[in-house]
Amino acid sequence: SYELTQPPSVSVSPGQTARITCSRDALPKQYGYWYQQKPGQAPVLVIYKGTERPSGIPERFSGSSSGTTVTLTISRVQAEDEGDYYCQSADSSGTFVVFGGGTRLTVL
Amino acid sequence: EVQLVQSGAEVKKPGESLRISCEASGYSFTGYWISWVRQMPGKGLEWMGRIDPTDSYTNYSPSFQGHVTISVDKSITTAYLQWSSLKASDTAMYYCARRFCTSTSCYTGFDPWGQGTLVTVSS
Repeated sequence: SYELTQPPSVSVSPGQTARITCSRDALPKQYGYWYQQKPGQAPVLVIYKGTERPSGIPERFSGSSSGTTVTLTISRVQAEDEGDYYCQSADSSGTFVVFGGGTRLTVL
Repeated sequence: EVQLVQSGAEVKKPGESLRISCEASGYSFTGYWISWVRQMPGKGLEWMGRIDPTDSYTNYSPSFQGHVTISVDKSITTAYLQWSSLKASDTAMYYCARRFCTSTSCYTGFDPWGQGTLVTVSS
């Protein structure tokens, strides 16, 4: 089965840059996606197609890809960015969706 | 406004059946796949499966195949997730989510999401 691996936690001070990685177990044929989930809320899409931001997502959020790793970068981190972040992709056919285990971002 | 509104929280006993719903509005219902995602207490997101509202074609994650049924009623733009016999391990928050599309392309990501339906199964 296809797996996505994320670090359980990342901590950063306000104003600094947070980087959350997501490692795939094979060369990607599908794009990567990132979601932000705050306590008690539904997930929100923050990056699609690996690097694109949906309308309404701050420019501080960016995505990148290198080899089998995709990265979510949050610049100038604010307290409101605290929450859980999930990467997501699909198998090579695009049929079966997979989520990473999630990363808890703590703003110190 | 594109919106998915889910049915309210449920408390059930093991062995009981249940169907929860996800009502779509603000867009052409048959144009976009809808998926269901499970989140067990304190855990991450798990994709359960999806349905094409056009013809009710479904794909299920191997982890959920045979344990749940996904369906739609196009006449009321509503998707459903159904169990025939609940277990305590089905206790979780369940989200519906629409396939994300821009003005030019559709992707395997999800946006928007419903607000979630909490299902509690306890004797």
